[in-house]
Amino acid sequence: DQQVKQNSPSLSVQEGRISILNCDYTNSMFDYFLWYKKYPAEGPTFLISISSIKDKNEDGRFTVFLNKSAKHLSLHIVPSQPGDSAVYFCAASAAGGSEKLVFGKGTKLTVNP
Amino acid sequence: NAGVTQTPKFQVLKTGQSMTLQCAQDMNHNSMYWYRQDPGMGLRLIYYSASEGTTDKGEVPNGYNVSRLNKREFSLRLESAAPSQTSVYFCASSQEYNQPQHFGDGTRLSIL
Repeated sequence: DQQVKQNSPSLSVQEGRISILNCDYTNSMFDYFLWYKKYPAEGPTFLISISSIKDKNEDGRFTVFLNKSAKHLSLHIVPSQPGDSAVYFCAASAAGGSEKLVFGKGTKLTVNP
Repeated sequence: NAGVTQTPKFQVLKTGQSMTLQCAQDMNHNSMYWYRQDPGMGLRLIYYSASEGTTDKGEVPNGYNVSRLNKREFSLRLESAAPSQTSVYFCASSQEYNQPQHFGDGTRLSIL
């Protein structure tokens, strides 16, 4: 039973446009969410996080939105750059991050020049 | 700029052989983790160590053992490798258990 779902295996966007990556979760106890980026042959790199007391967190070109009622979060990248091409993983945890992280399967983003 | 270092980067084993994957971090982090990633899957937690001297099972611990040798090092051992353990293994660390994790570049393990 997948508790964190990234339903789009891949996404392709043009350079300069917005990339929106989506993530849904089923466990209502999750209250801490993270996004990681992964390049081939490298480990994942932490991008941005959000706790359930917020509905938005911003860091430069990256913004994460959380809709608790819909159990949905999204990562917006504006503007998208070719260097953003990578696999993006959504992850969630309960108890303010004190419980184990559960990862989604990832979405491969391709930003075309 | 080492961060989290995993050795080896690649390994091929025969079924039934044993192997220890090494992981070391130089960030003075308290918590360390072992994950596996299979094709089309997210990362799944095998074992973790919330602090030096403690280890706990994650989601998929069967067939593995771990040792938190000291604050820097956290090793993963396969006692009798099976083809189902063919995977990419990632070690990670974080300052505290509930903080974002820093990952190594992975060990690609194939078991024939």
